Amino acid sequence: GQNIDQPTEMTATEGAIVQINCTYQTSGFNGLFWYQQHAGEAPTFLSYNVLDGLEEKGRFSSFLSRSKGYSYLLLKELQMKDSASYLCAVMDSNYQLIWGAGTKLIIKP
Amino acid sequence: GAVVSQHPSRVICKSGTSVKIECRSLDFQATTMFWYRQFPKKSLMLMATSNEGSKATYEQGVEKDKFLINHASLTLSTLTVTSAHPEDSSFYICSARSDRESNEQFFGPGTRLTVL
Repeated sequence: GQNIDQPTEMTATEGAIVQINCTYQTSGFNGLFWYQQHAGEAPTFLSYNVLDGLEEKGRFSSFLSRSKGYSYLLLKELQMKDSASYLCAVMDSNYQLIWGAGTKLIIKP
Repeated sequence: GAVVSQHPSRVICKSGTSVKIECRSLDFQATTMFWYRQFPKKSLMLMATSNEGSKATYEQGVEKDKFLINHASLTLSTLTVTSAHPEDSSFYICSARSDRESNEQFFGPGTRLTVL
């Protein structure tokens, strides 16, 4: 079967760095996405990785290892507004997204 | 960037009525649109995939006679919840895949449906 695993909840301090991990097992692989979702809103796109390595975009970076079925989202200089759920999703061989359950990130002052 | 809109953003209806939700790609043509449902504190659940000009493909467990999907043009897909019941209350989100960037889906803002 297809499976995406990510921690249910994480807590971090304002100004710090946090890494959210995602492991996956899917039928085929056409890229991995990270989305941010604030409560009651639709997800917004953060990053897309299809090749191994680190993609940096401002305070957010995303890493992919296809051989390990592993990705992480790295958030630096955390701000209170970063409190949200972070969803990992993999595009399978049919170009459909398989979603993880999301990681709720709580930022404390 | 690509923009997807949904209308209405919120709807409250009585049990037994039908509700139509529109999903539009505003600045690109979307050959494929997806409809998701999100339950509180859970991940998105894909309901169906809608291709322009053809019948939607429903995921297992989704009643196609209850959730009618029409993708009449390259910029519009509609989801009609027929004979709505309180258990249909949820957050419905559509996304669209463009021709130019087929590996990325652009999400609509979502529609919160409350059935009384």
